[in-house]
Amino acid sequence: DGGITQSPKYLFRKEGQNVTLSCEQNLNHDAMYWYRQDPGQGLRLIYYSQIVNDFQKGDIAEGYSVSREKKESFPLTVTSAQKNPTAFYLCASSIVFDLNSPLHFGNGTRLTVT
Amino acid sequence: AQKVTQAQTEISVVEKEDVTLDCVYETRDTTYYLFWYKQPPSGELVFLIRRNSFDEQNEISGRYSWNFQKSTSSFNFTITASQVVDSAVYFCALTAGANSKLTFGKGITLSVRP
Repeated sequence: DGGITQSPKYLFRKEGQNVTLSCEQNLNHDAMYWYRQDPGQGLRLIYYSQIVNDFQKGDIAEGYSVSREKKESFPLTVTSAQKNPTAFYLCASSIVFDLNSPLHFGNGTRLTVT
Repeated sequence: AQKVTQAQTEISVVEKEDVTLDCVYETRDTTYYLFWYKQPPSGELVFLIRRNSFDEQNEISGRYSWNFQKSTSSFNFTITASQVVDSAVYFCALTAGANSKLTFGKGITLSVRP
């Protein structure tokens, strides 16, 4: 079955450590996205990538970094510069980056930093 | 700038009741798309429907129906004869103009009690 795989489901880190969240898709989609979800805040866009080897900052990119070296992979690194990293992180993809392509989401990674 | 407002934060109903989830949007663009997503307790968002700004026809899919009214900038979602499996967080979202990024509302938590 095609889909988006995020791993791990739960992640715990100490403050000051960088951590990388994995996102893999086998849908052959060009575009990929990272969202952050906080209680009562909806989803906020961190980074997105329209095609391989390209990515742009979203609305809350500070303290995060990404890479898109392969079409199917879009890992997100939460750096020590991110002031409030504890959150639920969702990866998504779409066929192309345009107005009407619905997003397909992974199951998310819940990151807790203490 | 574009904005999606979901004024209801939490709704609780008893099974078999009908429930309407409200969504109000703001955009200056004449071409835009509206979406509804469902987030069950498992975490991943599931795409439910897409509607473009030139098609004001209401849509029905089983127990689900959507009412799009440009005059009031609303795209409301009704679940008829609700079931416990409908319990989830529901997000309304918008893409518009040259900005293809999805803007999400803050979500509505629906609890359906047996």
